[in-house]
Formats: sequence, C-alpha cells, structure tokens
Amino acid sequence: QQQVKQSPQSLIVQKGGISIINCAYENTAFDYFPWYQQFPGKGPALLIAIRPDVSEKKEGRFTISFNKSAKQFSLHIMDSQPGDSATYFCAASMVYQLIWGAGTKLIIKP
Amino acid sequence: KAGVTQTPRYLIKTRGQQVTLSCSPISGHRSVSWYQQTPGQGLQFLFEYFSETQRNKGNFPGRFSGRQFSNSRSEMNVSTLELGDSALYLCASSFERGSTDTQYFGPGTRLTVL
Repeated sequence: QQQVKQSPQSLIVQKGGISIINCAYENTAFDYFPWYQQFPGKGPALLIAIRPDVSEKKEGRFTISFNKSAKQFSLHIMDSQPGDSATYFCAASMVYQLIWGAGTKLIIKP
Repeated sequence: KAGVTQTPRYLIKTRGQQVTLSCSPISGHRSVSWYQQTPGQGLQFLFEYFSETQRNKGNFPGRFSGRQFSNSRSEMNVSTLELGDSALYLCASSFERGSTDTQYFGPGTRLTVL
C-alpha cells in the first residue's frame, strides 16, 4: 500500500515529441505528488508537483495530470528536447517522507 | 545560496568496515533527510533529522545510524558494511521538519563495498 508504481522503465522520444510517464498509487493518505528529474552524477531536483485537490498543473513544457479516483498521475513533457534526457522519478508524500517510483530513463533523440 | 554539499563524493570500503558520510544543508535549513538509491530498489528513505533529533526513520537495519549537529550538518554512519550497502547515498535539506515539498538534494556519496 506504500508503493508508487511507475512506468515505463525507459522511454525514447523524438525531439519535439511528447514524453509521457505514468505513476499509480494505492494509499489515499498521500497528499503531495512531486516529480523529480535526475541527471547522471547529480541528486534529484524537483521539477513540478501537485496536490490531490487539483487535476492538472502546468509549468512551461511540463504538465502533471492527476486522476484522484483512479489513483494515477502522469508527467507530460511537451516539445521534448535532448536536454530533457534524464531519469524521472514520481513520488508521493505522507507522514514526512517521500515514497518513490522506480524511475524512468528518458532519452530524447535529436 | 550554496546548495546541499555531501562529502566525500566517492568512497570504496570492504565488507565489515564502517563508514561515515557527511551532509551540509543549505544555509538556514534545519531538516536533513537521508536516502539510499540503488538500481534495484530505487530511492528509499533512511531517516530525517530536525533540531538534532531523529524525527522519522525508514525500514533499514540498526547498522544505519545518523546524527545532526547544532549547525544542522548531519552525518550518516553505516557499520559492518555488506556488499548490498553499495549505493548512492543522498542527503536532502529543507527549512521545516518533514517539508517534502521543499526538499533540495545534494549530489550524493557513491559508496562501493568490495
């Protein structure tokens, strides 16, 4: 019940395309859903986040879609660029800790 | 503002040894959390320190311990190292206790156990 399931494990998208990464959770006590971006040799960096009272949040080319009834949320990267190539993690927060998805390695082909 | 710093960046130890990792949070941040990142298990929460006290703990054996000093710097110790402890250890700081929505991560310490 503590798990956050993330898919796909890896994703290859052409430059300019839309990258979509999905996450699902079970525990309805989660109250904060961030996405992190991690480049090799670096720690994760917060990209965008949403709370369950909102169905969508957009920041630049990054959008989170949140479906509370389905207990799913997804990250959409519009107009994907080679610089977006990184590992993306979804997470869910409750009781002062983050429960992480397994990560998605995104490669944007020029 | 300087970011979260972790030292050392790389470490090689042998089984049975112990290791101490250090984390300096962003100036003014009082909470430090530690995570273990491995290819197989992903990112897993180890513990959080706030005001020199452990406030929350993940599901790790007692070989993993930590502490926080009055200047908010934190150390993590792993005793009797096992091969499975090889991982990237990440530290994250935030201003308030349990502020998972404003955590900033350091670059990590890569620990290799031989």
